Amino acid sequence: EIVMTQSPATLSVSPGDRATLSCRASQSVSINLAWYHQKPGQAPRLLIYGASTRATGIPARFSGSRSGTEFTLTISSLQSEDFGVYYCQQYNNWPPLFGEGTKVEIK
Amino acid sequence: QVQLQESGPGLVKPSQTLSLTCTVSGGSISSGSYYWNWIRQPAGKGLQWIGRISTSGSTTYNPSLKSQVTISIDTSKNQFSLRLSSVTAADTAVYYCAREWGPADYWGQGTLVTVSS
Repeated sequence: EIVMTQSPATLSVSPGDRATLSCRASQSVSINLAWYHQKPGQAPRLLIYGASTRATGIPARFSGSRSGTEFTLTISSLQSEDFGVYYCQQYNNWPPLFGEGTKVEIK
Repeated sequence: QVQLQESGPGLVKPSQTLSLTCTVSGGSISSGSYYWNWIRQPAGKGLQWIGRISTSGSTTYNPSLKSQVTISIDTSKNQFSLRLSSVTAADTAVYYCAREWGPADYWGQGTLVTVSS
């Protein structure tokens, strides 16, 4: 099965700053990569699919990119509602495994 | 706007069967090329995909749970269900249902199921 490795495990960011999260797949997943944001006590919310397409209603400050098996989620100017845990997930192969998450916390 | 809602017992005894139902509203479960999924999350941990079912009833399960899992669909009630047999404390988690077409775009709020005697 494909292993998804996210880094860093924790990211401390000040509101208004840029945040860059990474996700690496153990083998090719093409562009079949999604990013989700989860706040405590809530279900994950789809942010990005197809490595770089924003889901409906997602602000433009969220962007995704791909370089081979390396994927990046960038939040251009972090807002208070953006804190929480971010997961990447490949859906190229079954089972569609998630990474272990990056926790974005207030600096 | 599609909405999903999980329901079922919040407490299950070890070795028994966990049963949950997901009710879909705001659209027909039979429309579109979607899969209907179950995903779980132990407290403080990451997300684990359990399995999915298509509107035609075709199922795919996580190999690590395959021997325990049965997912079914009732299109007349706009519902799909999860049965997880022979549960242990390791199956204690928040269980989510979700609509998926690759990525999962609509999720239920989640329901906590605790396995304890």
